[in-house]
Amino acid sequence: EVQLVESGGGLVQPGGSLRLSCAASGFTFSSYEMNWVRQAPGKGLEWVSYISSSASISYYADSVKGRFTISRDNAKNSLYLQMNSLRAEDTAVYYCARDIAAVVAATLEPDAFDVWGQGTRVTVSS
Amino acid sequence: EIVMTQSPATLSVSPGERATLSCRASQSVSYSLAWYQQRPGQAPRLLIYGATTRATGIPARFSGSRSGTEFTLTISSLQSEDSAVYFCQQYDEWPVLFGPGTRVDVK
Repeated sequence: EVQLVESGGGLVQPGGSLRLSCAASGFTFSSYEMNWVRQAPGKGLEWVSYISSSASISYYADSVKGRFTISRDNAKNSLYLQMNSLRAEDTAVYYCARDIAAVVAATLEPDAFDVWGQGTRVTVSS
Repeated sequence: EIVMTQSPATLSVSPGERATLSCRASQSVSYSLAWYQQRPGQAPRLLIYGATTRATGIPARFSGSRSGTEFTLTISSLQSEDSAVYFCQQYDEWPVLFGPGTRVDVK
């Protein structure tokens, strides 16, 4: 079964850090470009970050640029999001999501997301 | 930056009826438009990509169409499990952007 499972969320004070993980199974992780998407309480979906299949290229939403870092370990079938200098407005459920198309080489193009994890909740509050 | 709008914000329909949801992009996104369903407490689920292609396992009662920068998701013969929020997403250029969503209540 194709599956993504996030972990690492929790309560953190403003200015603090948190590292989210996403464990992939059931597919060839190294062949897919990956993303993080978040959803603030009662709000819509916001794309956060993208990483190419080889981890050579990454993109960020302006709202997190310079504070968040996406990474992956293809040997461990895992995706990560290092979040620093957290703010109250970063409070959200964070989802990892897979690009719909498997790639031989990085496309660097955005895509639809066909597999999502169940999400991990991050609360930034004092 | 592209702006995505959706209408209506909410839609209340009876079982068996048809629902028509609209999504508009502020500029051309070609066919790079997806629709997602999000039931309460669940992760989003991909319904349609490429504006018109149903994702794997999606019932035929879900269909998508495009007319320029206007996109439509049609749900024919609504069922109770179709109660959800529906988001459109453009993936023609970075940043990927989602619309604000349409809440569909089937009752």
